Amino acid sequence: NAGVTQTPKFRVLKTGQSMTLLCAQDMNHEYMYWYRQDPGMGLRLIHYSVGEGTTAKGEVPDGYNVSRLKKQNFLLGLESAAPSQTSVYFCASSRNFVEQFFGPGTRLTVL
Amino acid sequence: DQQVKQNSPSLSVQEGRISILNCDYTNSMFDYFLWYKKYPAEGPTFLISISSIKDKNEDGRFTVFLNKSAKHLSLHIVPSQPGDSAVYFCAAKGVGNEKLTFGTGTRLTIIP
Repeated sequence: NAGVTQTPKFRVLKTGQSMTLLCAQDMNHEYMYWYRQDPGMGLRLIHYSVGEGTTAKGEVPDGYNVSRLKKQNFLLGLESAAPSQTSVYFCASSRNFVEQFFGPGTRLTVL
Repeated sequence: DQQVKQNSPSLSVQEGRISILNCDYTNSMFDYFLWYKKYPAEGPTFLISISSIKDKNEDGRFTVFLNKSAKHLSLHIVPSQPGDSAVYFCAAKGVGNEKLTFGTGTRLTIIP
């Protein structure tokens, strides 16, 4: 089992560019999450999904969109990147929304 | 408004001694508390959890204590080992909620 994988691992964008981060899990988990980690801020929830076809806003959703068309995939989109979105992004999945399994992260820099 | 707080950004402990990491929360509607461990360039991994109906949960070298009246939980690691050097996040889940609220993390360094 690969667990939770994230693509890409690193990315540099210019302000105004768009991109999509892909998260995939092979554990048949219902719940999936996108977090960002910034120095001194811990992990903050961006969006999450409680099942295929559903999404919900987390703590810091502005500037991001998500889609969960397939149970195993959760996509995070940035339509017009801003320097404030420079961060490390983590995807996680869970069977019971208590114990979450995290991917290795995507380091995004917006210039 | 930080509902889950880890007031110590860093902690250094001698190998073999006890490490105690602390976490305070403000929301009395949390029903589950968890600790995650994170190594550099990796995602966090689940360590241990405790339900709000308990005051202690133990798993090998790791024990979590919950003091509901003080809205405080702590993670004890004994004995501490070099591989325990990592950032530790506490997290909490609200009643009827499907998401976790994380603290800002404490960097634990075990000194050989």
